[in-house]
Amino acid sequence: KQEVTQIPAALSVPEGENLVLNCSFTDSAIYNLQWFRQDPGKGLTSLLLIQSSQREQTSGRLNASLDKSSGRSTLYIAASQPGDSATYLCAVRRDNAGNMLTFGGGTRLMVKP
Amino acid sequence: NAGVTQTPKFQVLKTGQSMTLQCAQDMNHEYMSWYRQDPGMGLRLIHYSVGAGITDQGEVPNGYNVSRSTTEDFPLRLLSAAPSQTSVYFCASSYSSWGLAGTQYFGPGTRLTVL
Repeated sequence: KQEVTQIPAALSVPEGENLVLNCSFTDSAIYNLQWFRQDPGKGLTSLLLIQSSQREQTSGRLNASLDKSSGRSTLYIAASQPGDSATYLCAVRRDNAGNMLTFGGGTRLMVKP
Repeated sequence: NAGVTQTPKFQVLKTGQSMTLQCAQDMNHEYMSWYRQDPGMGLRLIHYSVGAGITDQGEVPNGYNVSRSTTEDFPLRLLSAAPSQTSVYFCASSYSSWGLAGTQYFGPGTRLTVL
């Protein structure tokens, strides 16, 4: 059974710092991996999707990498801002059939002004 | 586009009551899913659908029913509510599972309390 782990569970950084969030998964046979952002009391917003054949994806100040063989993904946030404060979740899709996503527990990020 | 909409936003039920959580999307997405989010357990898949008339079970399907009569709507039915079903429920959709078209879009959630 696929298990997805995100460490640390919570992170507090000063504004302007570059930071890395980690996601690990136990079964490397994945189809893709998505990073989401969740604000308190809200739904999830997709940030980046990486196919299993890709090594990284970039969107603005965000860069996500994938090392499928080692079961790891990282989300790099450059020049963090207070508006980046949220919970960040990663999720892996097993295959391109069905609609099965397995989520990690999330990292709660606080960026202090 | 309104995206993925869910109603109601909040609901309180008594044990044994039944109810339907509504989910609709206006993006012509084939794939739709229901998740529940619980502290310490993360998001877990309840049921999903890959098109009208096709549904399948996820990780935690017991106590829930779904149907998909149209592309737009994917209601979740609680047959006989139990306190263990107290949770936040999210509906999600995607155009397909292929490539970037597999990007999941989430609704705002329904917060359900069962007394």
